[in-house]
Amino acid sequence: NAGVTQTPKFRILKIGQSMTLQCAQDMNHNYMYWYRQDPGMGLKLIYYSVGAGITDKGEVPNGYNVSRSTTEDFPLRLELAAPSQTSVYFCASSKTGGNQPQHFGDGTRLSIL
Amino acid sequence: GENVEQHPSTLSVQEGDSAVIKCTYSDSASNYFPWYKQELGKRPQLIIDIRSNVGEKKDQRIAVTLNKTAKHFSLHITETQPEDSAVYFCAASKGNFGNEKLTFGTGTRLTIIP
Repeated sequence: NAGVTQTPKFRILKIGQSMTLQCAQDMNHNYMYWYRQDPGMGLKLIYYSVGAGITDKGEVPNGYNVSRSTTEDFPLRLELAAPSQTSVYFCASSKTGGNQPQHFGDGTRLSIL
Repeated sequence: GENVEQHPSTLSVQEGDSAVIKCTYSDSASNYFPWYKQELGKRPQLIIDIRSNVGEKKDQRIAVTLNKTAKHFSLHITETQPEDSAVYFCAASKGNFGNEKLTFGTGTRLTIIP
């Protein structure tokens, strides 16, 4: 099993551009999460999903959108990229709710210039 | 909402000595407490977790203790080795429907001195 797969691994965007960060899991997990981690800092939750068709905001949702059309995929959309969105983005999944281990992908390193 | 505080932010210990990292949480309804290790440039990985019906859990050189009354939990690493150098994050969750989120601490950078 591949676990949680994130693409791309690295990306440089210009201010105002848009892009989608891809996340896929093959563990049949119901719950999926998007975090951002700024340099030397902890993890901040952007959005999460408890199942296909259901998403909810986390701590820092502004400037991002998500969708969950299948159990496997949970893409994160950046609209009108800003320098403040320069960060490492981690996708994670868990079998059920917050009392189960979360499995993280390798991350996407995003720079907005 | 839940607030998790983690101390210290940095910790250096001699190889072979023990390391202790402490976290406190604010919501007495929290019942799941995982610890994640993140090596430089890598993903966070779960190393141990504990649920509120247990006071202590061990896995080889790693142990976690939980004091529900005081609302704090700690990570203990014994006989530290160079490969233990990393950033460690604690987290807390209520885990029930409608409270599926983990709240993370701010991390502890552990450095093992050879």
